[in-house]
Amino acid sequence: AQKVTQAQTEISVVEKEDVTLDCVYETRDTTYYLFWYKQPPSGELVFLIRRNSFDEQNEISGRYSWNFQKSTSSFNFTITASQVVDSAVYFCALSEVIQGAQKLVFGQGTRLTINP
Amino acid sequence: GAVVSQHPSRVICKSGTSVKIECRSLDFQATTMFWYRQFPKQSLMLMATSNEGSKATYEQGVEKDKFLINHASLTLSTLTVTSAHPEDSSFYICSARGPSFYGYTFGSGTRLTVV
Repeated sequence: AQKVTQAQTEISVVEKEDVTLDCVYETRDTTYYLFWYKQPPSGELVFLIRRNSFDEQNEISGRYSWNFQKSTSSFNFTITASQVVDSAVYFCALSEVIQGAQKLVFGQGTRLTINP
Repeated sequence: GAVVSQHPSRVICKSGTSVKIECRSLDFQATTMFWYRQFPKQSLMLMATSNEGSKATYEQGVEKDKFLINHASLTLSTLTVTSAHPEDSSFYICSARGPSFYGYTFGSGTRLTVV
């Protein structure tokens, strides 16, 4: 079963539009961590946020905001007033214990294109 | 902030040769490191988990004799792709667990092309 699902494969919007990237996860653990990473064309992963399972407070960082809802197992990411520099692939990831080992599992990624 | 240095960033090798990729944590000790592979336009797939001083644990479907992992110190893990073939061409990226307990620090990745 897919642990982390990012149903949106590609999203294309015009600059200054708001855009939300969806992430749905599946886990049996009561303690787990969720992450969002940005991967620009150069390939390196840029850490955006980490959220633990006990903290459902929404987070805002500049134009970025995250909505964590345990009831729906979702951890969505919104970019407000998007800019061309936001174009990248965005990954949602889940850190949980699998067979006694802590592992970070990624979703399929969403390719976001911001058009000028 | 925490840094994981990964080298080389790009390598081209001939089919049948072996290639070693290094992943080094520069300012923290990493008892656990992870190796991922990413094919074009796909997600990062975990290949193996390496713990300092012990044998790596490989994910299902990953050939341990082909992808040799050594984690001999608290700051260095290496991945050797043995007898590389064109289908091994991919982006390989390492991650160290740390510096915080639930943090992961990623290297910048290695783009391997086998010709």
